[in-house]
Amino acid sequence: KAGVTQTPRYLIKTRGQQVTLSCSPISGHRSVSWYQQTPGQGLQFLFEYFSETQRNKGNFPGRFSGRQFSNSRSEMNVSTLELGDSALYLCASSPRTGSDEQFFGPGTRLTVL
Amino acid sequence: KQEVTQIPAALSVPEGENLVLNCSFTDSAIYNLQWFRQDPGKGLTSLLLIQSSQREQTSGRLNASLDKSSGRSTLYIAASQPGDSATYLCAGVSRRSQGNLIFGKGTKLSVKP
Repeated sequence: KAGVTQTPRYLIKTRGQQVTLSCSPISGHRSVSWYQQTPGQGLQFLFEYFSETQRNKGNFPGRFSGRQFSNSRSEMNVSTLELGDSALYLCASSPRTGSDEQFFGPGTRLTVL
Repeated sequence: KQEVTQIPAALSVPEGENLVLNCSFTDSAIYNLQWFRQDPGKGLTSLLLIQSSQREQTSGRLNASLDKSSGRSTLYIAASQPGDSATYLCAGVSRRSQGNLIFGKGTKLSVKP
């Protein structure tokens, strides 16, 4: 079974731009969660989607948004990029909920200049 | 607020040694605890999941235990090898986290040949 895939793997953007990241979960998994990883803050939860609905959201500004499609694939969008948004963005999938075992993708490394 | 602490932050051991990584959490209402491994610049690999009804899990040379009453989990690695060098992260799920993972900052392990 293929694992979680994320595209693109690397992105370089400038301040003020916006970016869209994509995540394809493991086949059959319906829950997709997004996390941000930085050296200072570690891994922090962004949001979780299940059956195309946002089920939970972490403590991030409204510039961070996401959505999930009927095939469970998910995208996250960051608008008006700031230098502090530079991070590794990780997507995780699980069969039903965030409390099931979660499987992570390789991440998207975003650099904001 | 659920907090997860990992001690030590870094550990260097000679090959062949048995070692223990520690994880403590403030919320005793934790019901799942998952251990991950992260190689530099990569995503997270799930190692072990301990669910609410369990006290420990084993996979190969790895054994993880969970003691909810003391708010602690340990990851035991037997006969360490250079290939075990990575950052090990524990993450808990509780009602307060609304079913999503709260991560510790990790223990960076280096196994010297």
